[in-house]
Amino acid sequence: AQKVTQAQTEISVVEKEDVTLDCVYETRDTTYYLFWYKQPPSGELVFLIRRNSFDEQNEISGRYSWNFQKSTSSFNFTITASQVVDSAVYFCALGGQNFVFGPGTRLSVLP
Amino acid sequence: KAGVTQTPRYLIKTRGQQVTLSCSPISGHRSVSWYQQTPGQGLQFLFEYFSETQRNKGNFPGRFSGRQFSNSRSEMNVSTLELGDSALYLCASSPGQPVYGYTFGSGTRLTVV
Repeated sequence: AQKVTQAQTEISVVEKEDVTLDCVYETRDTTYYLFWYKQPPSGELVFLIRRNSFDEQNEISGRYSWNFQKSTSSFNFTITASQVVDSAVYFCALGGQNFVFGPGTRLSVLP
Repeated sequence: KAGVTQTPRYLIKTRGQQVTLSCSPISGHRSVSWYQQTPGQGLQFLFEYFSETQRNKGNFPGRFSGRQFSNSRSEMNVSTLELGDSALYLCASSPGQPVYGYTFGSGTRLTVV
């Protein structure tokens, strides 16, 4: 069975702080993809990144970076120098035989 | 390239009524999935359609049904609405297999009164 755990239910930071959102997954699939989505107050789920199970290279995109560690089944997401516009719910997801979302982490960035 | 389009954006219905929500996937995408999102339950998978056939189904009562047309557009129907059906309903489309992820629409916010 596939499962995604996001242990942090809510996080509050002050603008310009760095923040890391944790994601731990379980799967028996040998080939799978990991995703992060952002859901701002408007409601739409916005795709941020996809990473396949064979590519453990970390990725940086502007203020966003992702750390994939297969050994610990984790795919953590870091926002550097957070901004108020980063306030949203962030979902980690796992795609394999099925597609499974984590419960989400609500991030509040305070001015 | 147009994204996933859901209509209507907002809907208010009375308990006991039925409702139909519509989703137009990205052109060329053959898979459409539906999710229900409520504050207490998070994102819950309803069902997935691929080439007009239901490929996967979540754990929802039979009042929730869906279908997919030959042009990949999909509709979901909820009959005999209950107050607890108030939620944001999200549609997502994908080229094919779940492993590749989904693109989501803006959702339909349903309020049952």
